[in-house]
Amino acid sequence: ELKVEQNPLFLSMQEGKNYTIYCNYSTTSDRLYWYRQDPGKSLESLFVLLSNGAVKQEGRLMASLDTKARLSTLHITAAVHDLSATYFCAVDHNDMRFGAGTRLTVKP
Amino acid sequence: EPEVTQTPSHQVTQMGQEVILRCVPISNHLYFYWYRQILGQKVEFLVSFYNNEISEKSEIFDDQFSVERPDGSNFTLKIRSTKLEDSAMYFCASLSYRDTLYEQYFGPGTRLTVT
Repeated sequence: ELKVEQNPLFLSMQEGKNYTIYCNYSTTSDRLYWYRQDPGKSLESLFVLLSNGAVKQEGRLMASLDTKARLSTLHITAAVHDLSATYFCAVDHNDMRFGAGTRLTVKP
Repeated sequence: EPEVTQTPSHQVTQMGQEVILRCVPISNHLYFYWYRQILGQKVEFLVSFYNNEISEKSEIFDDQFSVERPDGSNFTLKIRSTKLEDSAMYFCASLSYRDTLYEQYFGPGTRLTVT
């Protein structure tokens, strides 16, 4: 059974700092997704990673995928308060399995 | 910009009642999904649907659940006899493999409360 583990589950950081969220998964995957969810809202697609070594960047967020290590990372550069949200990774392997989510709080 | 829509936004029902949650996926998309999210927890896959049939379903999607695409636009999730533990946000999503991004677009969700 495919397992997806995210860490940390909670992350409190100061504005301007950098940090990385990790997503490990247990079997080979076709695609890996990163989503953002604000409280009470739906999921917003951030990145879709399709192949080993894929790296995508959007603003202060950068996602990468290492299929050999079965690891994806979401790196936050110079965090700002607006990035406060819950971030989920999800692995597409016949069905979609989500990680537990990382609740990020960026403090001024 | 096209978007996935869901109705109702909030449904309150009594235990044992049937509910139908409705979704209108993006019109040229081919794959449709239902997910649920119990408050404060992770998103759980329920079912995927392609070419008018279920392509994958999770262990959560038991005989109490069914999906339909009754016409060319709507995609519905029916829960036959609701239980208290069915209370959750239900999200519909759609995806097109015709654009290489393989991006899933989520609807705003339906909050189901079973009393």
